Amino acid sequence: AQSVTQLDSQVPVFEEAPVELRCNYSSSVSVYLFWYVQYPNQGLQLLLKYLSGSTLVKGINGFEAEFNKSQTSFHLRKPSVHISDTAEYFCAVTGGGADGLTFGKGTHLIIQP
Amino acid sequence: DAGVTQSPTHLIKTRGQQVTLRCSPKSGHDTVSWYQQALGQGPQFIFQYYEEEERQRGNFPDRFSGHQFPNYSSELNVNALLLGDSALYLCASSPRAGTTIYFGEGSWLTVV
Repeated sequence: AQSVTQLDSQVPVFEEAPVELRCNYSSSVSVYLFWYVQYPNQGLQLLLKYLSGSTLVKGINGFEAEFNKSQTSFHLRKPSVHISDTAEYFCAVTGGGADGLTFGKGTHLIIQP
Repeated sequence: DAGVTQSPTHLIKTRGQQVTLRCSPKSGHDTVSWYQQALGQGPQFIFQYYEEEERQRGNFPDRFSGHQFPNYSSELNVNALLLGDSALYLCASSPRAGTTIYFGEGSWLTVV
C-alpha cells in the first residue's frame, strides 16, 4: 500500500515569484509519481509524471518536479507563477498495473497580484 | 480526439435511491478507473476495469459496483445512497500497457 502526504494545504505566493509544492510518499514497492492540477469545478489535468530515468521531470505550463528516492519526495516547482496558476494541486502515486492512484489531500496555490 | 467524457455532469438523488454514472474513455484506452472526490479532499480510488472485469478495488462497500462494455465504456452504480456519497465522481482512462492516466470532468452527485 502507498500513502501520500502534501505538507501544505495552502501556499500563497506573489505573481512572478517562484513556488515549491511539497509531496512525500511512502511505499513498499517501486512507484510511479504524478502531479495533477484541478481548476475550480473541473476534472484533473496531468501536469507531469515520473516513471523512471532522469529524476528531474518537466511538465506543462512551466512546471517541473524532482524525484528524490532517499527522501521519498516528489516536490513540484515553478520558477515564476502567474495568476492563472491559481488552482488545487494533487500529488499521486501508484505501483502500476491494476493499482489505482493514491492521492494526497491537495495544496491550494493562491497567487497574489 | 475526444478525451474522457462523463455523464451526467450534475445530478441530485434522494437518500436510499440508486444512481448510474457513465464514462467513455479516451480513444485508444481500454482501462477505466473510477474515483470519488469529496469536497476539499483528494480523489479516492473506487475500482478499475479492464477486459470487462473488475481488476482492483479500493476501500469501498459493495454498494458501489461497476461494469465495462465491449467498447471499453463504463458505468458506476451506487445503491442505497447515503448523504455521505455526495461527491464528485471522476472517471479515468489509460492504455493497459501505459501509465498515463487521463481524467474526465466528473459527475457531481448530491444526495439529499
